[in-house]
Amino acid sequence: NAGVTQTPKFRVLKTGQSMTLLCAQDMNHEYMYWYRQDPGMGLRLIHYSVGEGTTAKGEVPDGYNVSRLKKQNFLLGLESAAPSQTSVYFCASQPSQNYNQPQHFGDGTRLSIL
Amino acid sequence: RKEVEQDPGPFNVPEGATVAFNCTYSNSASQSFFWYRQDCRKEPKLLMSVYSSGNEDGRFTAQLNRASQYISLLIRDSKLSDSATYLCVVKTSGTYKYIFGTGTRLKVLA
Repeated sequence: NAGVTQTPKFRVLKTGQSMTLLCAQDMNHEYMYWYRQDPGMGLRLIHYSVGEGTTAKGEVPDGYNVSRLKKQNFLLGLESAAPSQTSVYFCASQPSQNYNQPQHFGDGTRLSIL
Repeated sequence: RKEVEQDPGPFNVPEGATVAFNCTYSNSASQSFFWYRQDCRKEPKLLMSVYSSGNEDGRFTAQLNRASQYISLLIRDSKLSDSATYLCVVKTSGTYKYIFGTGTRLKVLA
């Protein structure tokens, strides 16, 4: 079972470049999330989606856009990359809003902005 | 005050030792609680959910204290392979958001 798959695994960008990170899940989960993890900060929620065609802002949404055109895919876009966006990005999914459902994580994308 | 707080550690313990971590949360409406394990440069993986009555999974025991608003994780008979960062995660009822602690680092020494 693939679970949650993130592509690419690594990327180096120059300031001002754009790129899209892809998260795909094959578990038919309704909810999907994008986080970033920085040293000493823990995971911070960027954007999330509660279903196909819906997205919402998390804790740190500035500089990012997302789309959920298909239930299985959640895309994170950086329109104009900045060095402050150097981070490890994790995607997660969750089956439903039922009480006590944990999240399932992809193995991350390491992004460096020069 | 952070919504979820953990002692960053590191906790350095010898093999076979028992070690416990606490995690405090600020929102009394928090409803779901989890412990995740994260190895260096890897994704977080669910270790166990935390139930109101406490729960055990092998060498791991999780407890919830709603009155004092903390959860705990006890690891018995520590193994070298237990070395990792342990993340406390809290979800508030009525929201879609999971709040992560910054993690407690554990090093089990031979």
